[in-house]
Amino acid sequence: KNQVEQSPQSLIILEGKNCTLQCNYTVSPFSNLRWYKQDTGRGPVSLTIMTFSENTKSNGRYTATLDADTKQSSLHITASQLSDSASYICVVSAAGAGGNKLVFGAGTILRVKS
Amino acid sequence: ETGVTQTPRHLVMGMTNKKSLKCEQHLGHNAMYWYKQSAKKPLELMFVYSLEERVENNSVPSRFSPECPNSSHLFLHLHTLQPEDSALYLCASSQGREQTGHEQFFGPGTRLTVL
Repeated sequence: KNQVEQSPQSLIILEGKNCTLQCNYTVSPFSNLRWYKQDTGRGPVSLTIMTFSENTKSNGRYTATLDADTKQSSLHITASQLSDSASYICVVSAAGAGGNKLVFGAGTILRVKS
Repeated sequence: ETGVTQTPRHLVMGMTNKKSLKCEQHLGHNAMYWYKQSAKKPLELMFVYSLEERVENNSVPSRFSPECPNSSHLFLHLHTLQPEDSALYLCASSQGREQTGHEQFFGPGTRLTVL
């Protein structure tokens, strides 16, 4: 069964600190993996997309990694800011005869405190 | 607000009411989606429209009825809902269907509460 598991479920950190969010998936065959950021009261916004051959991709202070062998991805946030407080959702695209299917994780809720 | 807009942003309704959610995309996309987002659960895909034709219906109860009059507008008609239908309803659009790997752009959502 295609599944995406994210950890931790929630996280509180102090402003300026770094943090890493985890995503483990059992999706097969793999097509790509996206990390979305969802601010409270807003829709998700894509941060990064990674394909099978990519190990690392950065977007400002956000760096995503992908290990296709272990089927794990991480999102590292450097020098956190209050505006980083949001839900971070890992989405894996499964390739298939009928086309790709998106499998969503439940998200990690990050709260950055001053 | 540009991109994908949704109205209303908040809606409270009784179980006997009939209401509609509206979504409009200003991106020139040809695929639109309805998702349900409940607390601590993954997004659930409800309906997919491609070129105004419904191409996917993920076992959604008939009390939810979608409508796509053109490629820019999508509606979700609600009637005789249950309290467990309370959730954030997200609309999204993309240049091609999810099958082709195109990024989906989401609206801000409608927070629905069923009393």
